[in-house]
Amino acid sequence: DVKVTQSSRYLVKRTGEKVFLECVQDMDHENMFWYRQDPGLGLRLIYFSYDVKMKEKGDIPEGYSVSREKKERFSLILESASTNQTSMYLCASSFPRQVLRTSSTDTQYFGPGTRLTVL
Amino acid sequence: AQKITQTQPGMFVQEKEAVTLDCTYDTSDQSYGLFWYKQPSSGEMIFLIYQGSYDEQNATEGRYSLNFQKARKSANLVISASQLGDSAMYFCAMVYSSASKIIFGSGTRLSIRP
Repeated sequence: DVKVTQSSRYLVKRTGEKVFLECVQDMDHENMFWYRQDPGLGLRLIYFSYDVKMKEKGDIPEGYSVSREKKERFSLILESASTNQTSMYLCASSFPRQVLRTSSTDTQYFGPGTRLTVL
Repeated sequence: AQKITQTQPGMFVQEKEAVTLDCTYDTSDQSYGLFWYKQPSSGEMIFLIYQGSYDEQNATEGRYSLNFQKARKSANLVISASQLGDSAMYFCAMVYSSASKIIFGSGTRLSIRP
């Protein structure tokens, strides 16, 4: 079974703090993703990575950065947390696409999520 | 533009009944994949089922089946014999050949009545 873990289920931080959210997967997936989920706004992609030290901006990268030093680990960093970053953060991973066609290997497997509150 | 639409914000269903959750999509890509995920109140997104645009048969996984109608651009999820544990948010999602990222619909909250 695919296993994606996140460092914390619940996290409370203060405005201005630097926050690290860690994600680890054990399926040797090349692709890893960070999303945030807010009521009424659905899931929005923050950043993703296709390989170690590779990163691509998603739809809402402002205020976030990422780090991928090892294949199994993808970190989301809030350099200076703000109250509007209070949200549910979900990490996911998947295999890379080998051919131009989509397939079931595009399936993303998610971690349990981290509910972050910034006071 | 690529888009996923779920028009049912919430549904109530009696236990043991079958339920259909609606999903329509829009894409200009010929190769694409459709997913359904379940999100219980705990927050984790659980993968349920996948359907590829070139798959001739509708996908099935246990009590879940995907009613894929390509011409109508719909990919409805059917849950047979619903159980109390099926109460959750359900998201339809799509991946398309010109990108690796998945786009999600707004979700349907399913509540099963005992």
